[in-house]
Amino acid sequence: DVKVTQSSRYLVKRTGEKVFLECVQDMDHENMFWYRQDPGLGLRLIYFSYDVKMKEKGDIPEGYSVSREKKERFSLILESASTNQTSMYLCASSLRGGWAISPLHFGNGTRLTVT
Amino acid sequence: GENVEQHPSTLSVQEGDSAVIKCTYSDSASNYFPWYKQELGKGPQLIIDIRSNVGEKKDQRIAVTLNKTAKHFSLHITETQPEDSAVYFCAASSNSGYSTLTFGKGTMLLVSP
Repeated sequence: DVKVTQSSRYLVKRTGEKVFLECVQDMDHENMFWYRQDPGLGLRLIYFSYDVKMKEKGDIPEGYSVSREKKERFSLILESASTNQTSMYLCASSLRGGWAISPLHFGNGTRLTVT
Repeated sequence: GENVEQHPSTLSVQEGDSAVIKCTYSDSASNYFPWYKQELGKGPQLIIDIRSNVGEKKDQRIAVTLNKTAKHFSLHITETQPEDSAVYFCAASSNSGYSTLTFGKGTMLLVSP
């Protein structure tokens, strides 16, 4: 079974702090994704990566950046956390994308609270 | 880009009844339509998916139908059980540039014993 592990289950940070959310997958998947989940808004794509050192903006990239230095690890960075970034963050991976898109495998999420 | 609408937002049924969740999408080039189930405290998990060259797919009590002309697809759960209670998300692949999934807003299904 694919395992996607998010390093923290809960995080509480202060406004203005730099925040790192870490995600690791163990199945040699090419693609990794960061989604944000908010009540009534569903899952919204922040950034994704289809290869090491590659990144693409999703639908809501403002205020976020990402890093993928190794194939198995994908980090989401909040350069200066704000209260409107309080949310559940979900990492996912998939074997491949492109025209033959393959299923996403999700981690259990990191609930971030910014005070 | 792709836009996915999902209805209803909440659905309550009695154990043993059927449940139907419907989604519409906007991009006629979308070709992959998965459904995810999210239990409390967990990440979404794929339960069934369908590609655009197929009209219907079944897996035990779960089925998905796709109408490409009308741009809508539905999840059908028969003989519901309390363990089916969860949030369900539909999604469609976006084909602008590199393919990604666009999700609906979710349906909270509650199955009462």
